[in-house]
Amino acid sequence: KAGVTQTPRYLIKTRGQQVTLSCSPISGHRSVSWYQQTPGQGLQFLFEYFSETQRNKGNFPGRFSGRQFSNSRSEMNVSTLELGDSALYLCASSLGQANTGELFFGEGSRLTVL
Amino acid sequence: SQQGEEDPQALSIQEGENATMNCSYKTSINNLQWYRQNSGRGLVHLILIRSNEREKHSGRLRVTLDTSKKSSSLLITASRAADTASYFCALNTGTASKLTFGTGTRLQVTL
Repeated sequence: KAGVTQTPRYLIKTRGQQVTLSCSPISGHRSVSWYQQTPGQGLQFLFEYFSETQRNKGNFPGRFSGRQFSNSRSEMNVSTLELGDSALYLCASSLGQANTGELFFGEGSRLTVL
Repeated sequence: SQQGEEDPQALSIQEGENATMNCSYKTSINNLQWYRQNSGRGLVHLILIRSNEREKHSGRLRVTLDTSKKSSSLLITASRAADTASYFCALNTGTASKLTFGTGTRLQVTL
C-alpha cells in the first residue's frame, strides 16, 4: 500500500505570494490532517478534513485554508505569505470516522519564505 | 496550553544502553501516542496507549502511562545508532484525529 504522498517536497516563495500544497492519503483513508512544524512553535495542528468537510480547525489565521476532494486528496493554501510561515508542513491520514488512533504522516513540504 | 512537555530535551547515549524519555501534560486524554521523526522528515507512529492502560510493549519499546500524575514515559531498550531521531509524545483528547504534540526529545545514539 502506498504511503501518504506530499507535493512539492521543497519550495521557495517570497513574501506576499501564495502557495498550495498537496496531499494524497493512504488508499481508503478518509481523514486528512495538516500540521505545521517550526523550530520555535513545534508541531501545531492546522486543520482536519473528513469526507470533504472541515471537521477540526487549529488556531491559525484565515490566510491558512484547505479543502478535500471526493477522492480524499487534500490541498492546503497559504495566502499573503509572511516570513514566519517558513516551516515544514506535514500531512497525515487516518481512517477517520470516530478514529482516535494513529496517524500516518507524509514526508512533508518544506516551505521557505524569503 | 495542552501541549505535552517532554524531558530531557536532548539525550546522548551509547549503543546498547537504554533511553528513557518522559512526557507530562495538563489535560484529560483519550490516548497518548509516541512518534519518531528522523531529521526533517515525516513522523512515524511508534505506539499508542489508552487512558485506561498503564503499560504497553512493542519490540524494544516500553511505554507507561500514569493518568493520576498526567505523565508518560517511553523506554527504548538496547539502543542502536539507527534509533537516533527526535521522539514526540502526542495527546489525543478525543477530538477525532487531532493530536497535540509535545516539545520532543532529541536522541543521539553513538557507536
